[in-house]
Amino acid sequence: ETGVTQSPTHLIKTRGQQVTLRCSSQSGHNTVSWYQQALGQGPQFIFQYYREEENGRGNFPPRFSGLQFPNYSSELNVNALELDDSALYLCASSSILQGALGIQYFGAGTRLSVL
Amino acid sequence: GDSVTQMEGPVTLSEEAFLTINCTYTATGYPSLFWYVQYPGEGLQLLLKATKADDKGSNKGFEATYRKETTSFHLEKGSVQVSDSAVYFCALRDPEAGGTSYGKLTFGQGTILTVHP
Repeated sequence: ETGVTQSPTHLIKTRGQQVTLRCSSQSGHNTVSWYQQALGQGPQFIFQYYREEENGRGNFPPRFSGLQFPNYSSELNVNALELDDSALYLCASSSILQGALGIQYFGAGTRLSVL
Repeated sequence: GDSVTQMEGPVTLSEEAFLTINCTYTATGYPSLFWYVQYPGEGLQLLLKATKADDKGSNKGFEATYRKETTSFHLEKGSVQVSDSAVYFCALRDPEAGGTSYGKLTFGQGTILTVHP
């Protein structure tokens, strides 16, 4: 049990729609990262938030955006959904006190299907 | 940029067999290296890590040694169990990364392990 919870577990959307995925981090973990895991692939870094601001971003277009809230929860928003956005979306939290070597604790993920 | 390459899977073994999953990496700095495990329907769990050359990470009978000269971090276990069946991911993190790469974990494609009784 990592203390990181994600909702919903599964989601089905159609192309062009918008989606919001949610994550609740462990208490005291003020850094949250989001990853996209396509079927049969390793997770790909989307972005990281620290103190409610984005401080790292992977190779994803601006239609992928996020929010982090003071209560350690966060959101991943994806606009104008495309078929290739179908994937498992993973949230990971860590304590910035551990610095760049801080262990990232992952949630079980949200499976998004875009039809 | 940074990258991680894992041996092609899937890997199928009998219980009590020896396991090796190869992992090599490319990085501009001196990365920290990790092995994560993903059981069906669950998120990633950290299995072990190493932060500098010649460090050995170990946990639950699994071991991996950080080999800078061969840029490798191979995962080994002397005697696998059915409960070890899962997907294993090798990953790296550059502690000096700044800018947009800050905090980024770079993963390999994963290796599916199935252990039969």
